Amino acid sequence: AQTVTQSQPEMSVQEAETVTLSCTYDTSENNYYLFWYKQPPSRQMILVIRQEAYKQQNATENRFSVNFQKAAKSFSLKISDSQLGDTAMYFCAFISRNSGNTPLVFGKGTRLSVIA
Amino acid sequence: GAGVSQSPRYKVAKRGQDVALRCDPISGHVSLFWYQQALGQGPEFLTYFQNEAQLDKSGLPSDRFFAERPEGSVSTLKIQRTQQEDSAVYLCASSLTGAEAFFGQGTRLTVV
Repeated sequence: AQTVTQSQPEMSVQEAETVTLSCTYDTSENNYYLFWYKQPPSRQMILVIRQEAYKQQNATENRFSVNFQKAAKSFSLKISDSQLGDTAMYFCAFISRNSGNTPLVFGKGTRLSVIA
Repeated sequence: GAGVSQSPRYKVAKRGQDVALRCDPISGHVSLFWYQQALGQGPEFLTYFQNEAQLDKSGLPSDRFFAERPEGSVSTLKIQRTQQEDSAVYLCASSLTGAEAFFGQGTRLTVV
């Protein structure tokens, strides 16, 4: 079974600064995707960024980038130029791509507060 | 619709009552997932449909939980004889390819 671990329950960052959220995972599979989701108080899960395991290049989406270390099974999220609207819960998630559609496996989340 | 729609957004039930939670996925999405999110935790898988077929219900915590998707579109998650430990946010997600899931805003269930 796959597991996802987020070891930072809470983090804070000053507006305009950079912050990195950690995530490690455990799997014996080779074909999978990793995601970071943002969940604001409205509760809706919003996809921030996705990484395919077979791609060596780290994914980037504007101010968001990942450091994907496949051998170490590590997938951290870097948020640059933090904005007040980035305040939310952030969840790291794993999905197997070996057999059809499978459910996401989530970590417990990191609560990020951006301080003015 | 433009996104995944869930109703109601909030539900308060007395212990022992039955509840029904609705999910309206993105049109054309064949895959539909239900997750349960306890306070301060990440979502946990409950069940998965591909069209009208329930392919995986391994995450349902007890036989009081039942889900259906009779026409391969709207899905209903039913909880019978609710208990306090059922209090949580119930999230629905739909997907076309499995490479990206789109979530609704969830239903917050409080059992009193």
